[in-house]
Amino acid sequence: KAGVTQTPRYLIKTRGQQVTLSCSPISGHRSVSWYQQTPGQGLQFLFEYFSETQRNKGNFPGRFSGRQFSNSRSEMNVSTLELGDSALYLCASSLDALNEKLFFGSGTQLSVL
Amino acid sequence: QQQVKQSPQSLIVQKGGISIINCAYENTAFDYFPWYQQFPGKGPALLIAIRPDVSEKKEGRFTISFNKSAKQFSLHIMDSQPGDSATYFCAAKGAGNMLTFGGGTRLMVKP
Repeated sequence: KAGVTQTPRYLIKTRGQQVTLSCSPISGHRSVSWYQQTPGQGLQFLFEYFSETQRNKGNFPGRFSGRQFSNSRSEMNVSTLELGDSALYLCASSLDALNEKLFFGSGTQLSVL
Repeated sequence: QQQVKQSPQSLIVQKGGISIINCAYENTAFDYFPWYQQFPGKGPALLIAIRPDVSEKKEGRFTISFNKSAKQFSLHIMDSQPGDSATYFCAAKGAGNMLTFGGGTRLMVKP
């Protein structure tokens, strides 16, 4: 069974641009979460989706948004990029909203210049 | 406000020794406490997890000890191996599947 797939693996953008990251969960998994990982702030929760509905949202500005499609695939978007948005963005999937076992992808490394 | 505090930040252990990583939490609503292992270039991988109604859980060389009254939990790695060298994160689950992570511990096991 394939794991969580995130694309692209690396991304370089400049300040003010926007970016879209993609996540394909493990087959059969219907819940997707996003986390930001930085050396300074560690791992921080961004959002959680189940059945195309956002269940929870972390403490991030409105520039960060996401969505989930009917096939459980998810995307997150960051608009008006800032230097501080440089981070590893991790997607995790779980079987459903009640299953706490999260399986993480390898992430998308975003660099904002 | 950091709700899960993890220590130490780094740890060096000799092969065969015991690695111990500690975490403390504040929010009594947390109901699930996993530990994740992360290798460079990879995402975190679930290692072992415990619920607050259990004081200890063991899986192979990995054991979680949980003290609900003190709001603390720890990971013990017995017979530590060089292949265990990685960054370890404790976490606590709140609403939904939202995890609050500790700051991480970089473990190095010397051969």
